[in-house]
Amino acid sequence: NAGVTQTPKFQVLKTGQSMTLQCAQDMNHNSMYWYRQDPGMGLRLIYYSASEGTTDKGEVPNGYNVSRLNKREFSLRLESAAPSQTSVYFCASTYGGTGGRETQYFGPGTRLLVL
Amino acid sequence: GDSVTQMEGPVTLSEEAFLTINCTYTATGYPSLFWYVQYPGEGLQLLLKATKADDKGSNKGFEATYRKETTSFHLEKGSVQVSDSAVYFCALGPNTGGFKTIFGAGTRLFVKA
Repeated sequence: NAGVTQTPKFQVLKTGQSMTLQCAQDMNHNSMYWYRQDPGMGLRLIYYSASEGTTDKGEVPNGYNVSRLNKREFSLRLESAAPSQTSVYFCASTYGGTGGRETQYFGPGTRLLVL
Repeated sequence: GDSVTQMEGPVTLSEEAFLTINCTYTATGYPSLFWYVQYPGEGLQLLLKATKADDKGSNKGFEATYRKETTSFHLEKGSVQVSDSAVYFCALGPNTGGFKTIFGAGTRLFVKA
């Protein structure tokens, strides 16, 4: 099992460019999450998908869109990147059902720099 | 609303020293409590968890006890190793359901040989 995989590992964008961060899990988990990690702020939830076909906003959704492509894949899109979106992005998954009370399984992260 | 507060770092210890990282929380009812660890360049991984009051989670020599009376879940290890150098996150899973795990800001630990 690969667990949770993310691509790319590192990306540099110019302000206004767009990009999609990819995430996939092979654990047959129902729920998937996108977080951003900034120094001194822990992890903040951007969007989550409780189950295939559903998505909901988290704490900091502005400037992002998501797609739950199928049970395995959950992508995060930046339509017009801004320097404030410079961060490390983590995808995570849980088996589902009780979401926040379950162990989360994280990918290795995507480091994004917006110039 | 629900929240988690953990001690600021960095914490610097010598090998074989005793480690405590404090974590307190605010929540209604009985949340689940977690400690996650992040090694350099990696994602977070579960270190231990507890789901009800007085439960003790343990793993790799680390322990934490769910204290309802003090709303705390402090992380301890009797003898740290250089390989324990990492960032440690306390987290809370609300008992009201929902999908929003709440993470503390993280505490960076450096262990010197």
